Amino acid sequence: DVKVTQSSRYLVKRTGEKVFLECVQDMDHENMFWYRQDPGLGLRLIYFSYDVKMKEKGDIPEGYSVSREKKERFSLILESASTNQTSMYLCASSSGGLNTEAFFGQGTRLTVV
Amino acid sequence: AQKVTQAQTEISVVEKEDVTLDCVYETRDTTYYLFWYKQPPSGELVFLIRRNSFDEQNEISGRYSWNFQKSTSSFNFTITASQVVDSAVYFCALSESNNNDMRFGAGTRLTVKP
Repeated sequence: DVKVTQSSRYLVKRTGEKVFLECVQDMDHENMFWYRQDPGLGLRLIYFSYDVKMKEKGDIPEGYSVSREKKERFSLILESASTNQTSMYLCASSSGGLNTEAFFGQGTRLTVV
Repeated sequence: AQKVTQAQTEISVVEKEDVTLDCVYETRDTTYYLFWYKQPPSGELVFLIRRNSFDEQNEISGRYSWNFQKSTSSFNFTITASQVVDSAVYFCALSESNNNDMRFGAGTRLTVKP
């Protein structure tokens, strides 16, 4: 059974804290993604990675960074959390190339207070 | 830039009604892929279908069917004889051949009432 696992289901952090959201996939996928989901806005792409140590900005990268040191792990970093980063964060992976579907984790609901 | 529009924010139907969820996309690429995902209340997105830009044949899977029309840049999803378990948020997504990313629409929240 294929899996994308996000380290936390719920997180509460204080403004200004450095926050790490971790995502691990066990499918040997090349591509990994971080999305943010907000009501009325759907899923917005923050960053994606198509290989180890490679990253590309998505639509809303400001305030975020990412790290991919190993193929199976893709981390989203909030350098200094702010209240407007309170949201649901979804990690996904895909095999890349043509005709691929994405597999999603269960999501991390982050609240910044 | 690629773009996906789901104009229907929320739809509410009564069980056994048919319902169509609309998806309109924009792309300059000639080779691309379209997807539908379902997000039930548990939160995890579930893949439903993918279609490549060279295959306009409509697809039916049980109560689900998809209508892909390149002429109108649409990829609509119909649920026949809806059931309460169909209640979810449905997302349409687009991936271009020369990109590795996938862009989603804003989603349509479907509520099926008993």
